[in-house]
Amino acid sequence: GAVVSQHPSRVICKSGTSVKIECRSLDFQATTMFWYRQFPKQSLMLMATSNEGSKATYEQGVEKDKFLINHASLTLSTLTVTSAHPEDSSFYICSARDGDSNQPQHFGDGTRLSIL
Amino acid sequence: AQKVTQAQTEISVVEKEDVTLDCVYETRDTTYYLFWYKQPPSGELVFLIRRNSFDEQNEISGRYSWNFQKSTSSFNFTITASQVVDSAVYFCALQAGGFKTIFGAGTRLFVKA
Repeated sequence: GAVVSQHPSRVICKSGTSVKIECRSLDFQATTMFWYRQFPKQSLMLMATSNEGSKATYEQGVEKDKFLINHASLTLSTLTVTSAHPEDSSFYICSARDGDSNQPQHFGDGTRLSIL
Repeated sequence: AQKVTQAQTEISVVEKEDVTLDCVYETRDTTYYLFWYKQPPSGELVFLIRRNSFDEQNEISGRYSWNFQKSTSSFNFTITASQVVDSAVYFCALQAGGFKTIFGAGTRLFVKA
């Protein structure tokens, strides 16, 4: 089945650091990738939709300059948390779709980000 | 607007009991997809099932079964003879209006030995 790889799985860093998370579709081309954030004991909240070769579409309340998304190829999207602060500590999950909107999303294993 | 409601925040059962997790959804789209995912303590999302809006057939997969009722906008999930390994958070999700998938708040299931 379709595999989405997310890296790193865990990051611990100091406040003020920028952190980059990668999301790769390993065996299919993903024109659309999605980034979710999940705080402890809460649901997954969609942050942004990333389309290859174009600017990401951010959900209301998500800061574009804080969460930079780049989808440079059909198999790779990156999320950079700029100048991270403790309140950005969360579980970030990406997903990718193989084909059109009728196809299900395939999820990565998530990145647990801890900002000290 | 799309919405997914999982009214049960936490459920606790004893091993071998049957348990049903409820999911109610809202959408104005006639074409949509419903999903269930399992999230164990390790955090990854495990895909369980996808159902499109035109297929109301119930489905059984081993100890898992799903009941899709468009008349009540529900997509409930039943685990038969629960096991400790079933302990996890279960999310119901809706994909409609193009391509966004929204998740319910999740139901935390505790299965005690």
